[in-house]
Amino acid sequence: AQTVTQSQPEMSVQEAETVTLSCTYDTSESDYYLFWYKQPPSRQMILVIRQEAYKQQNATENRFSVNFQKAAKSFSLKISDSQLGDAAMYFCAYWREYGNKLVFGAGTILRVKS
Amino acid sequence: KAGVTQTPRYLIKTRGQQVTLSCSPISGHRSVSWYQQTPGQGLQFLFEYFSETQRNKGNFPGRFSGRQFSNSRSEMNVSTLELGDSALYLCASRPGIVYNEQFFGPGTRLTVL
Repeated sequence: AQTVTQSQPEMSVQEAETVTLSCTYDTSESDYYLFWYKQPPSRQMILVIRQEAYKQQNATENRFSVNFQKAAKSFSLKISDSQLGDAAMYFCAYWREYGNKLVFGAGTILRVKS
Repeated sequence: KAGVTQTPRYLIKTRGQQVTLSCSPISGHRSVSWYQQTPGQGLQFLFEYFSETQRNKGNFPGRFSGRQFSNSRSEMNVSTLELGDSALYLCASRPGIVYNEQFFGPGTRLTVL
């Protein structure tokens, strides 16, 4: 069974600074997808970024980028120019090829200080 | 396009009662999944429905059940409620079973007293 580990329960960042959230996963499969979801206090789960395992290029979405290390099974999220609105719980999630469920990590609470 | 909607948003029940939660997927989406979120266990997959058929089920007792209607709307039922069933229940939809991105609703907060 696949597992996802987020080792940082909480992180803090100063507004306009950069922060990196860590995620590792365990799988024996070669084709899969990885996601970062953001869950603000409203509880609405919002997709931040997605990475296909077969792509070597790291995904980027505006201020959000990932560092995907397939051999190390590592998938970290970098948030540049942090904003107050980035404060939320961030979940790393795994989806296997032709799978039908997300496997989530425990989450990292991100606090943004002004 | 309207997003995934869930009703009710908040619910308070007592132990032993049963509850039904509803989820309306994004228009055109035929797959609906349910997840339970608790502080202790995190986010856990409950089940997925596609074309009115349950495709996959997570590791939950039989008290948790669901169904999907021909318009893709889905309901989740929990019978004989226990205190531990207090959680945020999230519904997610996707267009079909090949598509791997899910779109989440706002959740239903269930409190069992």
